[in-house]
Amino acid sequence: ETGVTQSPTHLIKTRGQQVTLRCSSQSGHNTVSWYQQALGQGPQFIFQYYREEENGRGNFPPRFSGLQFPNYSSELNVNALELDDSALYLCASSSGTGMYNEQFFGPGTRLTVL
Amino acid sequence: GENVEQHPSTLSVQEGDSAVIKCTYSDSASNYFPWYKQELGKRPQLIIDIRSNVGEKKDQRIAVTLNKTAKHFSLHITETQPEDSAVYFCAATPWNSGNTPLVFGKGTRLSVIA
Repeated sequence: ETGVTQSPTHLIKTRGQQVTLRCSSQSGHNTVSWYQQALGQGPQFIFQYYREEENGRGNFPPRFSGLQFPNYSSELNVNALELDDSALYLCASSSGTGMYNEQFFGPGTRLTVL
Repeated sequence: GENVEQHPSTLSVQEGDSAVIKCTYSDSASNYFPWYKQELGKRPQLIIDIRSNVGEKKDQRIAVTLNKTAKHFSLHITETQPEDSAVYFCAATPWNSGNTPLVFGKGTRLSVIA
């Protein structure tokens, strides 16, 4: 067990709604990265938070936003949901030190947009 | 930015045979190459990784090779077993002060036939 947890497990929303997904990082990790994994695809990087600051962003529109808290847990918010937002959302935590980052994934939140 | 190509997309092998999955990357600055295994409905799990200062790494039945000149790296699984059946993702990341996002390939669905 990696120690990274996510909630909720599953979520169903309708187009135009807003959603908040949550991630608790592994103990000792101060960096959280969020990925979107569409069906049959590899995870795609959304953004990363390091010590409560956004530390890099992938090719996702501004309606995808995030937050990291002092305990290093994180939230992903998506506004104005679209059908294509249906995917598995994964967060991964890492220690944020050293030259390489070994990332440990949570179980994911399956978002369905109808 | 980095682009990772992964082949094949599907692979079927007989139990006991070897399986090889290949990835190429585009960014010569990439220096960390992890491989993840994702079973159906579960989180990606890191199974092995290789850093740019070595050409090969082995862990029991799993090995990874890296050719930085050609910008490709491969996963080798020997003596395959039915429990090796899963989707495998390669990833690459360029160094950036110790916290950089992973760029994933699209995955290889490995089926080991008993």
